[in-house]
Amino acid sequence: DADVTQTPRNRITKTGKRIMLECSQTKGHDRMYWYRQDPGLGLRLIYYSFDVKDINKGEISDGYSVSRQAQAKFSLSLESAIPNQTALYFCATSEAGETQYFGPGTRLLVL
Amino acid sequence: QKEVEQNSGPLSVPEGAIASLNCTYSDRVSQSFFWYRQYSGKSPELIMSIYSNGDKEDGRFTAQLNKASQYVSLLIRDSQPSDSATYLCAVSDEDSNYQLIWGAGTKLIIKP
Repeated sequence: DADVTQTPRNRITKTGKRIMLECSQTKGHDRMYWYRQDPGLGLRLIYYSFDVKDINKGEISDGYSVSRQAQAKFSLSLESAIPNQTALYFCATSEAGETQYFGPGTRLLVL
Repeated sequence: QKEVEQNSGPLSVPEGAIASLNCTYSDRVSQSFFWYRQYSGKSPELIMSIYSNGDKEDGRFTAQLNKASQYVSLLIRDSQPSDSATYLCAVSDEDSNYQLIWGAGTKLIIKP
């Protein structure tokens, strides 16, 4: 079984809808991250969490919110989806200063 | 603002040759350096990590770190078509609890 899983893998939604992307990990890491990646561009950090009680905004947090339900679970919500949030979304986990391990990604299309 | 810079490419290399990928970073105190490979539409996967000046070899891959010049490179020997991918460089940010600063990636194409 994969160490980092994301659901759904693909999602099509309409402008204004609220959606949630979920991430689970079995690596036992404290740190979890949400990134987005647009075609031809690098990874941009949306939110990160160093433990269940510690959640921080990344460089592009506007329009997004997160919830760390447990050490192993970190969800990303788009409160009111807009077309420029169409992107590939990745969840990742790590220990401090160490390798980040990525989930398979969620491809989101906002119409 | 701290930055990690990579040539976006594409870098085209003949099969069997050595591919050389470079990355420069702005933060002199960074201590951890990572190379990831990303196939189109897939998630990044770690190839190499390096923490000390010098070379680190793993199979066909060699990472080179020069902290004085603030660059890290990745060499791929005997390049194969399956090495065609985007290679991401990431550098730790000691000031923000060791988060990673990501380069935008270099697209590598290995021509048969």
